[in-house]
Order: sequence, then C-alpha cells, then structure tokens
Amino acid sequence: EAQVTQNPRYLITVTGKKLTVTCSQNMNHEYMSWYRQDPGLGLRQIYYSMNVEVTDKGDVPEGYKVSRKEKRNFPLILESPSPNQTSLYFCASSLRWTGRSDTQYFGPGTRLTVL
Amino acid sequence: GIQVEQSPPDLILQEGANSTLRCNFSDSVNNLQWFHQNPWGQLINLFYIPSGTKQNGRLSATTVATERYSLLYISSSQTTDSGVYFCAVMNYGGSQGNLIFGKGTKLSVKP
Repeated sequence: EAQVTQNPRYLITVTGKKLTVTCSQNMNHEYMSWYRQDPGLGLRQIYYSMNVEVTDKGDVPEGYKVSRKEKRNFPLILESPSPNQTSLYFCASSLRWTGRSDTQYFGPGTRLTVL
Repeated sequence: GIQVEQSPPDLILQEGANSTLRCNFSDSVNNLQWFHQNPWGQLINLFYIPSGTKQNGRLSATTVATERYSLLYISSSQTTDSGVYFCAVMNYGGSQGNLIFGKGTKLSVKP
C-alpha cells in the first residue's frame, strides 16, 4: 500500500531533550516536506526537500533540522525542544519537483508535547 | 510572500445541502491543492487544480488562475464531509518549493 508513515504518533517529552520524528514514504517520491499545525495558524511548512541531499527552509524552520540521505526517509530533528514546539506535525511527499509540484500525500501526524 | 485567504471560516449545513468554499490568493501560482482534514486529523488530498475545473463524485473544484481564486463545491453534503477544508498554493519562484496553506474552512454537517 502506498503511504507516508510517521513515528512516533504521540510523544511527550521535556525541554531540551533531543528527539527525532521519522518519516518514510514508499512511493519513490522526490519531494518531501514537514509541516506543523497549530490552532488558529493552520499548517505551516518547516522544511522541504526536492530530492536526496537537497533541503530548504520553509516558513518556520527555527529550532528544527532535517536530513535527506535516502529518497524514502526525511527525519525531523529537534535538537533542544522547547514548549513552543508543542504542535501537531505532518510529513508529506509528492512525486516530483520540476518547478511545479503535484499532489501532496500526508502522513498520519505526530502529536508532540514539550513540557 | 503569497497570502492565502479562505472563506467562510466556519460553515454549518444540514445534511443534503450544497455549499461553496472559496480560496483567494495574492500572487500567481503554479500549484493549487484542496485538502480535507477529517475530525481524526487525517489530511486527504481532494484536488490538484492549478487551473480549470475538476469533479470527483459530489465534489468539484474550479480555479481561475488569472483572477487568483479557487472554489470548492460540495453537493448533497453528508455528515462524513465534516472537518476542515484547506486550500494550499505554491508560488512561482524558480526552484522554490514552499507550499502555503490557508487557515481553512471548518465545515459541520448536521444530520
């Protein structure tokens, strides 16, 4: 089954404790991205990747890192999480990036709470 | 950067009614998508529609790129249509890949 998977689905952690949220897609998609969703603010893009070893900042990259060493995986790293990073996080992918991108497929979401 | 505005912010319908959701954007786009987020949080792509009209069952969408708006039509609404509908656009910009979301329209369909 074609899908985008994220782990963990739920995470409660404490300020400053490094964490990684994994994202994997099995559709051979070139484009992957991370979003956070907050009440009243909608979805905002954190980082995106057009292909392996190519990443760029979205609207809200501060406090996050990403890497794209393989086509299928795009982990989101919080080196020193803070309470303002409490949010619902989505990973997404789409087939290609040619200056025009097509349909985005979303993972199930990761609900992160930083105490 | 590009601004995306959706209206109305909230909509309550009786089952069987029709509705139109609107998405206005402030600059040229080469990508526009409509998504539905169900009450369990799952985001589902409805349409990839940078221009023109598409239909999928009871849903259809029209984008008039020259006038910078898109419309999502829901006919004969059902309770399962409840949730939040998002419009998202990608701006022209060479190699930029930033997808910008509107704040959504929250739809509640009552039985």
